[in-house]
Amino acid sequence: QVQLQESGPGLVKPSQTLSLTCTVSGDSISNGNYWWSWIRQPPGKGLEWIGYISHSGSTYYNPSLTSRVAISVDTSKNQFSLRLSSVTAADTAVYYCARDNWSYAASWFGPWGQGTLVTVSS
Amino acid sequence: SSELTQDPAVSVALGQTVRITCQGDSLRSYYASWYQQKPGQAPILVIYGKNNRPSGIPDRISGSSSGNTASLTITGAQAEDEADYYCNSRDSSGNHVVFGGGTKVTVL
Repeated sequence: QVQLQESGPGLVKPSQTLSLTCTVSGDSISNGNYWWSWIRQPPGKGLEWIGYISHSGSTYYNPSLTSRVAISVDTSKNQFSLRLSSVTAADTAVYYCARDNWSYAASWFGPWGQGTLVTVSS
Repeated sequence: SSELTQDPAVSVALGQTVRITCQGDSLRSYYASWYQQKPGQAPILVIYGKNNRPSGIPDRISGSSSGNTASLTITGAQAEDEADYYCNSRDSSGNHVVFGGGTKVTVL
């Protein structure tokens, strides 16, 4: 059974960098069959895709965040990470990591981590 | 367009049928997937591809697609189906992901 678990600080000061890590168990990031994603949800709002990374380190980011976001992968630890710079209160959200599955003309997220709330405040 | 549009809220009487729609240009090229989210919980996948359900998702939940519109249908809605439902797909480039704004389903 594949499981994902987010970890990282729950409080970040404005203008600083948010850093989170997702640890994958039950599957190997190195097997190359999936992309690995970060998704966030501000309190009371909808889901927003942040970006994803392949096992080899190829990345795609949400165009609205691309200037501030970086996703990296550490296959030796079976982890992938998110860095979001110059954060403001608008970046306060529950951050989820998820596995991106795909086949012909379809992609879907599953499983998901439980999510971690990151608050941006001084 | 890289956006997906959903109605904000719908209601359904217990045991009746409700259909949620998701519209966007990218749906002409890609199937939508659908997620159910209950308060305080992470989303769970309920429909992917043409009309596939992960293990454990009841068969009263189904998906369909026509043109630029994807639909999620709950046939015989139960109290436990009350939740927010989100659609998503790749965007028209195929490299990015877009989500709909979500539909809150209330079971009366």
